[in-house]
Amino acid sequence: EIVLTQSPGTLSLSPGERATLSCRASQSVTSRYLAWYQQKPGQAPRLLIYDAYRRATGIPDRFSGGGSDSDFTLTISRLEPEDFAVYYCQQYGSSPLTFGGGAKVEIK
Amino acid sequence: EVQLVESGGGLVQPGGSLRLSCAASGFTFSSYWMHWVRQAPGTGLEWVSRMNSDGYSISYADSVKGRFTISRDNAKNTLYLQMNSLRAEDTAVYYCVRQSTRAFDIWGQGTLVTVSS
Repeated sequence: EIVLTQSPGTLSLSPGERATLSCRASQSVTSRYLAWYQQKPGQAPRLLIYDAYRRATGIPDRFSGGGSDSDFTLTISRLEPEDFAVYYCQQYGSSPLTFGGGAKVEIK
Repeated sequence: EVQLVESGGGLVQPGGSLRLSCAASGFTFSSYWMHWVRQAPGTGLEWVSRMNSDGYSISYADSVKGRFTISRDNAKNTLYLQMNSLRAEDTAVYYCVRQSTRAFDIWGQGTLVTVSS
């Protein structure tokens, strides 16, 4: 099983600042099959990024994904008020599918 | 509108059973692999089970293998999760999820399952 470790656990930033979240896999992620999801309180997760760098439909271009092999990042170029949430990475290249533990972006 | 709506959650005693349903609409349900993902209170996401589009390929997380059964009725556009021998650690919100381009692009609103005496 591929274990995904997200860091930092919590990121305290102000609107307009840049956020960089890390997702490290215990082994190489097949074909960059890595996704990022955003979850707000009381809501279901929403797909942001798939295949490590492709933005899902309707996702603003301030969200970008990068990385390969076992190190991946999600960058939010300029935080908007609606971006303060919890973010999860997920690998879907190997069974079982696994998620990272989550990273919270909170308002400073 | 593309939509997944779960139902069937509730309070059940340890050792009991529950059947979750997920009604799909707004897309060709029979063309997609479908999954169940759960989230225990205050914690992260855990993949539970998946079924391919025609129902012949299934897999489960080790934590539910032998106790949970996933199924689908493509004629009714519905996904199911039969949960037996429930434990306290199965308490969670259960999400029905569509897989597209190998990632999870559509999520239901979730249904809460509470296992407690």
